Amino acid sequence: DGGITQSPKYLFRKEGQNVTLSCEQNLNHDAMYWYRQDPGQGLRLIYYSQIVNDFQKGDIAEGYSVSREKKESFPLTVTSAQKNPTAFYLCASTRGTSGDLGTDTQYFGPGTRLTVL
Amino acid sequence: AQSVTQLDSHVSVSEGTPVLLRCNYSSSYSPSLFWYVQHPNKGLQLLLKYTSAATLVKGINGFEAEFKKSETSFHLTKPSAHMSDAAEYFCVVSSESSASKIIFGSGTRLSIRP
Repeated sequence: DGGITQSPKYLFRKEGQNVTLSCEQNLNHDAMYWYRQDPGQGLRLIYYSQIVNDFQKGDIAEGYSVSREKKESFPLTVTSAQKNPTAFYLCASTRGTSGDLGTDTQYFGPGTRLTVL
Repeated sequence: AQSVTQLDSHVSVSEGTPVLLRCNYSSSYSPSLFWYVQHPNKGLQLLLKYTSAATLVKGINGFEAEFKKSETSFHLTKPSAHMSDAAEYFCVVSSESSASKIIFGSGTRLSIRP
């Protein structure tokens, strides 16, 4: 079955540590996204990538970094510079081929819950 | 500038009664509008989307929404609630061509009473 996988499901980070969240898709989608979800709020865009080896900052990119070396993979690193990283992180993808990212349906992974100890 | 407002943070209905989740939007362009559903600790799943075709949009699981430009609304409805509908629902507005212009509402939690 095609879809998006995220790992781990739960992640605990100590102060000052960098951690990397994995996102893999086998939908053959060009575009991939990382969102952060906090209780009682909508999703906020961290980074997105429309094509391999290219990515753009979203609204809350500070303290995060990404890479897109393969079409299938879009890992997110939460660095020690992110002062309040405890949140639910969602990865998504869209076909991206039409160029109209705003009209494409987004397909989401099951999420990673990150907690700072 | 675009924005989206979900008017209720929590809606509770009895099983078998109608569901109404309200969403108002603001957009300088002809918007695309979406409703997504999220079950606890899960990712989001598309319920339906409007992209300038028919104003009444039918989605999965018996949900539908009507685009009303004059009222800048895109309310989600279902004639008869089922226990499995209990979840968080997100209204989303976007303009064409830009991932950074996809705006999520703050969500409405739907509870179903037996």
